[in-house]
Amino acid sequence: DTGVSQDPRHKITKRGQNVTFRCDPISEHNRLYWYRQTLGQGPEFLTYFQNEAQLEKSRLLSDRFSAERPKGSFSTLEIQRTEQGDSAMYLCASSLVSSGANVLTFGAGSRLTVL
Amino acid sequence: EDQVTQSPEALRLQEGESSSLNCSYTVSGLRGLFWYRQDPGKGPEFLFTLYSAGEEKEKERLKATLTKKESFLHITAPKPEDSATYLCAAVGGTSYGKLTFGQGTILTVHP
Repeated sequence: DTGVSQDPRHKITKRGQNVTFRCDPISEHNRLYWYRQTLGQGPEFLTYFQNEAQLEKSRLLSDRFSAERPKGSFSTLEIQRTEQGDSAMYLCASSLVSSGANVLTFGAGSRLTVL
Repeated sequence: EDQVTQSPEALRLQEGESSSLNCSYTVSGLRGLFWYRQDPGKGPEFLFTLYSAGEEKEKERLKATLTKKESFLHITAPKPEDSATYLCAAVGGTSYGKLTFGQGTILTVHP
């Protein structure tokens, strides 16, 4: 078990470009989450999947953001027409839903800088 | 709307000087209160989950407690390696997938 993997770790892009982040969760986990974190703030929920179904999406998530989890394995988060306000750390987490704790295991994050 | 507020924003301690971090929450139907530790440039690392008022959990120099409105993270005789940002998060209502995080407390322990 290598934990939650995210790629790339760092991305610098120009305003208006599209970017895509990939997340590989812990293999036996059935839930996958995306969060966004800006400097000095706690992570902010974006969306989550159970297997391949996207169950909840934040109202703060604009139409420029889309997430997929084909076949219930890895997930991608795409941001279209990036804006400077999109600069943040994008965190992926996974969990195994069972009775009791739903403990999220986070990856190291993908840091996005929009120039 | 669920809200989680942490205080203080930053805390500086001398090695061995015990203290507490506070997490106040307003969550409809709390289903779990979580504490995470985050080191610079890394993702949050799970510490504890608390489910009901009166519950306590311990791990090395850390102890987490829960009341109906607050949670405390007590740090006993801290060491420099305890320096990190400590995040509190709550899950409530019908959404078991959405953690609402506080802004974190940056803890610095000086030798």
